[in-house]
Amino acid sequence: ETGVTQTPRHLVMGMTNKKSLKCEQHLGHNAMYWYKQSAKKPLELMFVYSLEERVENNSVPSRFSPECPNSSHLFLHLHTLQPEDSALYLCASSQVVRAGYEQYFGPGTRLTVT
Amino acid sequence: GQQVMQIPQYQHVQEGEDFTTYCNSSTTLSNIQWYKQRPGGHPVFLIQLVKSGEVKKQKRLTFQFGEAKKNSSLHITATQTTDVGTYFCAGPRESNYQLIWGAGTKLIIKP
Repeated sequence: ETGVTQTPRHLVMGMTNKKSLKCEQHLGHNAMYWYKQSAKKPLELMFVYSLEERVENNSVPSRFSPECPNSSHLFLHLHTLQPEDSALYLCASSQVVRAGYEQYFGPGTRLTVT
Repeated sequence: GQQVMQIPQYQHVQEGEDFTTYCNSSTTLSNIQWYKQRPGGHPVFLIQLVKSGEVKKQKRLTFQFGEAKKNSSLHITATQTTDVGTYFCAGPRESNYQLIWGAGTKLIIKP
């Protein structure tokens, strides 16, 4: 399954670092999503982009900053994170930004904040 | 607010036994999706149900959507080690942009 790729797969960063997560979809989809997955919690939707326009921001702290330069690429810029931000960050895409369409997930970035 | 609840959180079964997970929504859903996440992996789409009372089968997996379109279930017959993972249900928010996810049911095969 290489429809949605994410890099890096693992990231360890200090609270003062700045890093970026990258996602690329090769499916020709118009919608892209960032999710946070923590242990024992439901998937938390962070951001939704439709045709490069952000259509949803679920009260995510400003230390997370998304960027969508085109419909195939999505970034999540991280700065001054907290230990509780350690989680699996998943990127997903769907044909269009409607919940009736299945989402295709990337392998995720396992983030550890020290 | 709108919620999707999934039970049980974990289920331990012997290989060959059946497994069922239940999904309940606080509101009527236009559709419901099911995903599977293998250990160390990412969610993978299994199926979508749209119609009231709909039943769909994929080999040993049977998916049902309730008559009121507020609940759904996934039943696996004669589990195999390849079935291990966490099964999630997800339904659309009324805004239609987001999926609301259940917390998942983790299927564990006893050694």
